[in-house]
Amino acid sequence: AQKITQTQPGMFVQEKEAVTLDCTYDTSDQSYGLFWYKQPSSGEMIFLIYQGSYDEQNATEGRYSLNFQKARKSANLVISASQLGDSAMYFCAMREAYSSASKIIFGSGTRLSIRP
Amino acid sequence: NAGVTQTPKFQVLKTGQSMTLQCAQDMNHEYMSWYRQDPGMGLRLIHYSVGAGITDQGEVPNGYNVSRSTTEDFPLRLLSAAPSQTSVYFCASKTPRTGVSDYGYTFGSGTRLTVV
Repeated sequence: AQKITQTQPGMFVQEKEAVTLDCTYDTSDQSYGLFWYKQPSSGEMIFLIYQGSYDEQNATEGRYSLNFQKARKSANLVISASQLGDSAMYFCAMREAYSSASKIIFGSGTRLSIRP
Repeated sequence: NAGVTQTPKFQVLKTGQSMTLQCAQDMNHEYMSWYRQDPGMGLRLIHYSVGAGITDQGEVPNGYNVSRSTTEDFPLRLLSAAPSQTSVYFCASKTPRTGVSDYGYTFGSGTRLTVV
């Protein structure tokens, strides 16, 4: 069965520093996708970045990048030059094979707090 | 476009009562899902649907029913509410993955349900 593990319940980071949020996953499928979502205090879920299991390059979206290490089954989110607005819950998620594309599972989340 | 619309935003139920959480999307998305979010547990999949007339169970389906008579609507029914169903419920929809990109789910704004 697929599983997502986020081992950091909470993190404090100084503004403008880079931050890495950890995510490990477990799946027996060769084809899968990995996502990161942000949930600010207002409660909405915001898509940040996606990495496919066959993508050779790490995904990047502006200040977000995904450090994908397939052999280690890790998909860490890196936020460069953190801002106060980055304070939020962050969820790692995974979708297994295309035929079950609607079935995305989530980790328990990491609460990131940015200090001014 | 309104995206994914969930109603109501807040609801208080008494134990044993039944109710339906509404979810509608206007993006012609095939895939729709219901999640519940509890503190420290991330989002857990309740039920999902890959298209009109097709539904399947997720991780925590007990106590909930769904139907998908149209592409647009995916209501979640609580048959006999219990305090353990106190949670925030998210409805989400997505298009099938195309090419190398996958933008994951578009989430509704959530329904905060309290069962007393």
